[in-house]
Amino acid sequence: KQEVTQIPAALSVPEGENLVLNCSFTDSAIYNLQWFRQDPGKGLTSLLLIQSSQREQTSGRLNASLDKSSGRSTLYIAASQPGDSATYLCAVDAPGAGSYQLTFGKGTKLSVIP
Amino acid sequence: DVKVTQSSRYLVKRTGEKVFLECVQDMDHENMFWYRQDPGLGLRLIYFSYDVKMKEKGDIPEGYSVSREKKERFSLILESASTNQTSMYLCASSSGQGGGYTFGSGTRLTVV
Repeated sequence: KQEVTQIPAALSVPEGENLVLNCSFTDSAIYNLQWFRQDPGKGLTSLLLIQSSQREQTSGRLNASLDKSSGRSTLYIAASQPGDSATYLCAVDAPGAGSYQLTFGKGTKLSVIP
Repeated sequence: DVKVTQSSRYLVKRTGEKVFLECVQDMDHENMFWYRQDPGLGLRLIYFSYDVKMKEKGDIPEGYSVSREKKERFSLILESASTNQTSMYLCASSSGQGGGYTFGSGTRLTVV
């Protein structure tokens, strides 16, 4: 059974700092990996989607990498801002029994201090 | 901008009531999902549907049912609401393998 782990569970950084969030998964047979952002009391906003054949994706100050063979992904946030404060979730889409298998990590709660 | 729309942001219902949570997507996606999210437990899949009138149980289907009469709409039904169903409910859709998932803004349900 696929397991997804996110480390650290919480992170506090001063504004302007570059930071890395980590995600690991146990089974490398995946379709893709997706990073989401969740603000308190809100739904999930998709940040980046990396297909299994890709190594990285970039959007603005965000860069996500994928190393399928080692079961790892990182989300790099450049020049962090207070508005980046949120919980970041990674999710792995993989073949499973039946037509569906999306597994989430528990998330990293990021606080960017002004 | 493509969207998954959940009809209510906040709901307060009484124990024993029948509750309907509605979700509509405008992306012509085949697959739709209902999750609940609780502190410390993360997201848990309740039900999903890969086609009109089709449904599959997720990890925690007990106490819930679903309806998908049209491709764009997926409803979650609490037949007789209980206080342990107080939670954040999230709807999502996807086109299939590799397409990624789009989530709605969530419904915070409180059962009193």
